[in-house]
Amino acid sequence: QKEVEQDPGPLSVPEGAIVSLNCTYSNSAFQYFMWYRQYSRKGPELLMYTYSSGNKEDGRFTAQVDKSSKYISLFIRDSQPSDSATYLCAMIDQGVNAGKSTFGDGTTLTVKP
Amino acid sequence: DAGVIQSPRHEVTEMGQEVTLRCKPISGHDYLFWYRQTMMRGLELLIYFNNNVPIDDSGMPEDRFSAKMPNASFSTLKIQPSEPRDSAVYFCASSFRVKGSYGYTFGSGTRLTVV
Repeated sequence: QKEVEQDPGPLSVPEGAIVSLNCTYSNSAFQYFMWYRQYSRKGPELLMYTYSSGNKEDGRFTAQVDKSSKYISLFIRDSQPSDSATYLCAMIDQGVNAGKSTFGDGTTLTVKP
Repeated sequence: DAGVIQSPRHEVTEMGQEVTLRCKPISGHDYLFWYRQTMMRGLELLIYFNNNVPIDDSGMPEDRFSAKMPNASFSTLKIQPSEPRDSAVYFCASSFRVKGSYGYTFGSGTRLTVV
């Protein structure tokens, strides 16, 4: 079993919809949680970053972490065609692997005009 | 800052040839990572360095792969000899651990095709 499991998708929604992207994990040592966005034929870019449990909001994006359930989510409000990309969750612990991220396999999102 | 710079952007080579991928991390970043991405396996960590020292190379698939970081501003990933199954996009990423920030900056990748 992988340490990080991500909803596989693909996901297709109409413009303006609310999108929910989700990951679960098994390593309770994970403390830092990130979401990356990857456009086709580009490298991933850091979108959101949270530490421990709670919510973090940045414009139309909200990252949510529930450490008790080992579950993280990224919500996109008022989705736009420009949000069409692959979204990857990533996590880091503070132990011997501090500095090394474990990535999910990504969810591909298409927002249709 | 120009970001993480990788070269070449595309590489097509014949099976058995040596391939060298290059990476220039962001100045001041103390971690450097090499990843490989395929549709089947997603993003796989090959090796990472901290302050130019290799920390974990357990993801390097076999002895045909080697990586070096001779100084803080340059790293190479070498495949010798190359095989068709090495075809993938190879990403370099760097990061700077300050005040708990662990996010990576990725390069644009090298798309490798081995025929």
